Amino acid sequence: AQTVTQSQPEMSVQEAETVTLSCTYDTSESDYYLFWYKQPPSRQMILVIRQEAYKQQNATENRFSVNFQKAAKSFSLKISDSQLGDAAMYFCAYRSSPFGGGADGLTFGKGTHLIIQP
Amino acid sequence: DVKVTQSSRYLVKRTGEKVFLECVQDMDHENMFWYRQDPGLGLRLIYFSYDVKMKEKGDIPEGYSVSREKKERFSLILESASTNQTSMYLCASRGGRGGYTFGSGTRLTVV
Repeated sequence: AQTVTQSQPEMSVQEAETVTLSCTYDTSESDYYLFWYKQPPSRQMILVIRQEAYKQQNATENRFSVNFQKAAKSFSLKISDSQLGDAAMYFCAYRSSPFGGGADGLTFGKGTHLIIQP
Repeated sequence: DVKVTQSSRYLVKRTGEKVFLECVQDMDHENMFWYRQDPGLGLRLIYFSYDVKMKEKGDIPEGYSVSREKKERFSLILESASTNQTSMYLCASRGGRGGYTFGSGTRLTVV
């Protein structure tokens, strides 16, 4: 079974600075998806960024980028120019078989609570 | 805008009650999921369904059952609620390209 580990229960960063959230995972598969989700106090899970394992290029979405190290099984999220609205729980998640038709669910890490200091 | 709707945002039930948590999606997705979220534990998969009347156990199915009579609706059932089932419950659906859409959760308290 796959496992996802987020070793930072809480992180704090000054507004406008850069912060990196860590995520490692364990799998024996070669094809899979990795995700970062944001959950603000509204509880709505919002997709931040997605990475396909077969792609070597790191995914980016505006101020959000990942450092995907497949051999090391590491998938960190970098948030540049942090804003107050970035304050939330961040979850790293794994899904196997991206090209299959199966209904595999996501395996989540325990989350990192990100605090933005004004 | 596509949606996954959970019928209750907050719910308080008594120990031993039968509890139904309802989830409806309007995206014609085949795959639907129920997760439980607890502080320090992240989200854990309870059950999922890949078609009408089909269901599969996730990582923590004990004490729960599900029903999917229509494609758009996926119900989570607590046959006899217990205090250790006090938690946040999140429903999600997944389309063909792998994108997941989540509901905004039901916070269930069992007293």
